[in-house]
Amino acid sequence: GAGVSQSPSNKVTEKGKDVELRCDPISGHTALYWYRQSLGQGLEFLIYFQGNSAPDKSGLPSDRFSAERTGGSVSTLTIQRTQQEDSAVYLCASSPRTGYEQYFGPGTRLTVT
Amino acid sequence: KQEVTQIPAALSVPEGENLVLNCSFTDSAIYNLQWFRQDPGKGLTSLLLIQSSQREQTSGRLNASLDKSSGRSTLYIAASQPGDSATYLCAGAGNTGGFKTIFGAGTRLFVKA
Repeated sequence: GAGVSQSPSNKVTEKGKDVELRCDPISGHTALYWYRQSLGQGLEFLIYFQGNSAPDKSGLPSDRFSAERTGGSVSTLTIQRTQQEDSAVYLCASSPRTGYEQYFGPGTRLTVT
Repeated sequence: KQEVTQIPAALSVPEGENLVLNCSFTDSAIYNLQWFRQDPGKGLTSLLLIQSSQREQTSGRLNASLDKSSGRSTLYIAASQPGDSATYLCAGAGNTGGFKTIFGAGTRLFVKA
């Protein structure tokens, strides 16, 4: 079946602009995670959704970052007033439910100029 | 706060050699531990998931172990092949304060033909 998909695959934006990154999880997966991978760095947890529960936002680096998940499926990560340090690959993963294997999408490479 | 460390940071071995990658974590209240591989410019591919109640998991030439008491996990790769060259990441999902997943920085493996 279809895996996790993310769009766009690449995004170049000017400093100060807002961007939206999209994640389509595997159908039926109730858990969804967002991570960030900066150049030469490990994966940094951003936010986690499980079903209709309140998301775990503890990894969001600033209030410029927000995410939502509509209808328990598609998720959008929004970065407002982008800064150069936001440049990274943003990865999304989904899981059948909490504590199960995570399946990753190909990522969105964000470059802030 | 969970911290995950991977040793070594990089490893180069000749084809056919058996090897062990190490992962340590600070919070033993771990729900599961997952091993991934990441190829350059690509997303993550799940290799093995070990639940906290398990000691090891095997898939083909891969064997992963988990020792919660010592805060360690190992990934054993038998008869390494050039196609195994990639970065290997371990990630611990905690069950205290939520299920967010913390990744190690990875071990970059190069298998020489």
